[in-house]
Amino acid sequence: DSGVTQTPKHLITATGQRVTLRCSPRSGDLSVYWYQQSLDQGLQFLIQYYNGEERAKGNILERFSAQQFPDLHSELNLSSLELGDSALYFCASSYTSGLYNEQFFGPGTRLTVL
Amino acid sequence: SQKIEQNSEALNIQEGKTATLTCNYTNYSPAYLQWYRQDPGRGPVFLLLIRENEKEKRKERLKVTFDTTLKQSLFHITASQPADSATYLCALEGASGTYKYIFGTGTRLKVLA
Repeated sequence: DSGVTQTPKHLITATGQRVTLRCSPRSGDLSVYWYQQSLDQGLQFLIQYYNGEERAKGNILERFSAQQFPDLHSELNLSSLELGDSALYFCASSYTSGLYNEQFFGPGTRLTVL
Repeated sequence: SQKIEQNSEALNIQEGKTATLTCNYTNYSPAYLQWYRQDPGRGPVFLLLIRENEKEKRKERLKVTFDTTLKQSLFHITASQPADSATYLCALEGASGTYKYIFGTGTRLKVLA
């Protein structure tokens, strides 16, 4: 158990809908990272927050947005969903920013868009 | 663009042998590189970090090397066991944007009993 929690574990929804994925980082970690993993693309970095502020933005679509709250939990909002958004979404956390710290990954949320 | 290449073909080896996985990167000179293990349907788990000024790093049966001239890292598992069967990912921190945190697609290792 990495100490990172993600909810829900599974999500099935229809095209055009909007969903919210939630992540609670490990106690004491200030950075939260969101990744998308699909079968043909590997792990793709979406966005990072550090202590409530956006720190780095990766391959995140305009239909997607995220935020980190004062209690450091984070939410990833996906809207106008398309079939291609079906994937595993992972949240990771680390104490500070950057890969000189290990990232602790959550169990993921499996999103299926029908 | 910055890219990581890992052998996408699965690697099958006999129990007890040494598994060697390769990670090649292009268009960047990372200060450090990480290796993760991922089991099907689960999040990656951190294994080792190696810095650019370290040629080699060891942890129990794991060994990582980092050749900044060749732009390559090798990941070794000695005395491999069936429980080592998983996908192994390498990762590095890029400059910014899409290439900020780059993960390879991973190499699937299967250790045969």
